[in-house]
Amino acid sequence: KQEVTQIPAALSVPEGENLVLNCSFTDSAIYNLQWFRQDPGKGLTSLLLIQSSQREQTSGRLNASLDKSSGRSTLYIAASQPGDSATYLCANQGGDDKIIFGKGTRLHILP
Amino acid sequence: EAGVAQSPRYKIIEKRQSVAFWCNPISGHATLYWYQQILGQGPKLLIQFQNNGVVDDSQLPKDRFSAERLKGVDSTLKIQPAKLEDSAVYLCASTRSSGTEAFFGQGTRLTVV
Repeated sequence: KQEVTQIPAALSVPEGENLVLNCSFTDSAIYNLQWFRQDPGKGLTSLLLIQSSQREQTSGRLNASLDKSSGRSTLYIAASQPGDSATYLCANQGGDDKIIFGKGTRLHILP
Repeated sequence: EAGVAQSPRYKIIEKRQSVAFWCNPISGHATLYWYQQILGQGPKLLIQFQNNGVVDDSQLPKDRFSAERLKGVDSTLKIQPAKLEDSAVYLCASTRSSGTEAFFGQGTRLTVV
């Protein structure tokens, strides 16, 4: 059974700092790994999708990496801004098309 | 391309009442998912459809929850009777095919009092 863990559960950093969010999973037989952003009271916004054959994806200040062999993914946010404050969720899609989520990291960027 | 549509956005009901949520996935998306997200937790998969067939409903409390996806397009999720612990956000998502990007609706926030 696939389990997804996100560390840390919460993080506060001053504006301008670079930061890393971690995601680990137990079953490496995945199709892809996807990072989402969730603002309070809102749905999920897809940030980056990494296919199982890829090592990383980049979008603006965001970079996500995937290491299937170790069951890990990281989301790197460069030059953080107050607008980046949100909950970040990682999820992987397995061969059965199930999409399993971690509990998320609550990020607060201090102005 | 229109996104995943869900309604209603908010619903408040008393315990033991029934409630239904509606989801219209992105056109052409074969797989549809319903998730339950309790405050402070990650989304938990309730049921997964491939076209109009159920692929996985192992975590759906079938004594009170039901879902259908007639004609393989939109879907409804029903709770009857509701319990206090059903208070959560119910999210619908869809993917075009295996291994492709998942898109989520805005969710329905259910409060059971």
